[in-house]
Parts: sequence; C-alpha cells; structure tokens
Amino acid sequence: NAGVTQTPKFQVLKTGQSMTLQCAQDMNHEYMSWYRQDPGMGLRLIHYSVGAGITDQGEVPNGYNVSRSTTEDFPLRLLSAAPSQTSVYFCASSHGVAGKNIQYFGAGTRLSVL
Amino acid sequence: GDSVTQMEGPVTLSEEAFLTINCTYTATGYPSLFWYVQYPGEGLQLLLKATKADDKGSNKGFEATYRKETTSFHLEKGSVQVSDSAVYFCALSERNSGGSNYKLTFGKGTLLTVNP
Repeated sequence: NAGVTQTPKFQVLKTGQSMTLQCAQDMNHEYMSWYRQDPGMGLRLIHYSVGAGITDQGEVPNGYNVSRSTTEDFPLRLLSAAPSQTSVYFCASSHGVAGKNIQYFGAGTRLSVL
Repeated sequence: GDSVTQMEGPVTLSEEAFLTINCTYTATGYPSLFWYVQYPGEGLQLLLKATKADDKGSNKGFEATYRKETTSFHLEKGSVQVSDSAVYFCALSERNSGGSNYKLTFGKGTLLTVNP
C-alpha cells in the first residue's frame, strides 16, 4: 500500500536549471495538490488538480508548472530554478467525495537551489 | 480570504504534562477543521478532524472541539509522551459546490518537544 510517493527525496540545483518533482498516488484519488513548506510559513498551496486534464493555481504558483495527464501522476516542474524556490515540497491527494476527502501527504522532496 | 492562526512555538513540556495548542481561524463559509502532525523527516499525517460546529475530533489521546462562536479549534492532550514530539499544524478547508473540500489552508505550525 504505497499511498503517495514523491521522488526524489533530495535535490540540489544550480540557479537556472530545470527539474521535475514527481508525485504518484495509487489510491485512485481525484484531487492532487502541491505545497511548499518554509520555516515560519507553514504550508502554502502551489497548484492543484481536481481530476485528469484539470489544473489550477494555488497561493504561490509563480515559477512552477503542473500537468495532470493521468489520475495517478501530478508532476511539478521548475523551468528555471531560483534560490527562492529552496524549500520542502509536499504532494497530497484525496478523494472528491464528501466525507472521504482526507488529504494524504507524501514524504516530501527537499530542494536546495544554489 | 481564509486564514489560520495558531500558537507560536516552540513548546517544551515534560512527559505526562497537559498540552494545549491554540488555533483560531477566519473563513467565509463553514469550513472543515483539521489537525495534522509531522514527525521529524516525514510528511504530514492527519491527526483529527471536525466537519461542523460542536463536533469533537479525537485520536491517540488528542482532542479538539470545533467552536463556531469563538472560531477556534484548540488541540489538547491530557498527558503527553516523548513520542508526541513533532510539529502540529492546524488547517481548514472550505467546501466547494460539490460538497467536498480539497484546498487546505494551514497555520504556521507549532513545534512540540516532550522531555522524559
């Protein structure tokens, strides 16, 4: 029972490099989200998706792109990494049915941009 | 917009002490309220939830009551253990038109350390 799987666990980038953070869930959840966690800031929503082919912006979307071609996968792309994107990134998923919409989180990706 | 304000930490307690972490919220509608816990090096796990006013969520000895009149959802535990050391996040989620909710708004988190 894998739940929400994020890869990689750790990544170091140089300013201007691009990369994709992977997120996969095996619970057939409709909703998936990306958050970033910064000291003293809690978690802030970057992008979310309510189903395959549908995405929308959260609170802090600038510098990030997402797509949702399948129910299972929701990758987060950094096109040109900046030091301000140094953070811990969490992916989450949940059902879209009221009463069954608890969000399940992955273990996180710790990203450093030099 | 929605917001969550929780007690700033860090909080340091001795084993078997009583714990309260305060949480208040601002929301336009009738949100669901959650407490999540993050153990060192791990992702967030749901600790408890409440979906309507006067509901009490409970799990692993932790409790929180949804108080609409004071817009609060304070976390309490009567006797903490060393294993409770973690970061605790209060969060809310507004329901969408379909009755489900998926966007969480988090407080900044409270680091709890319990010493033996």
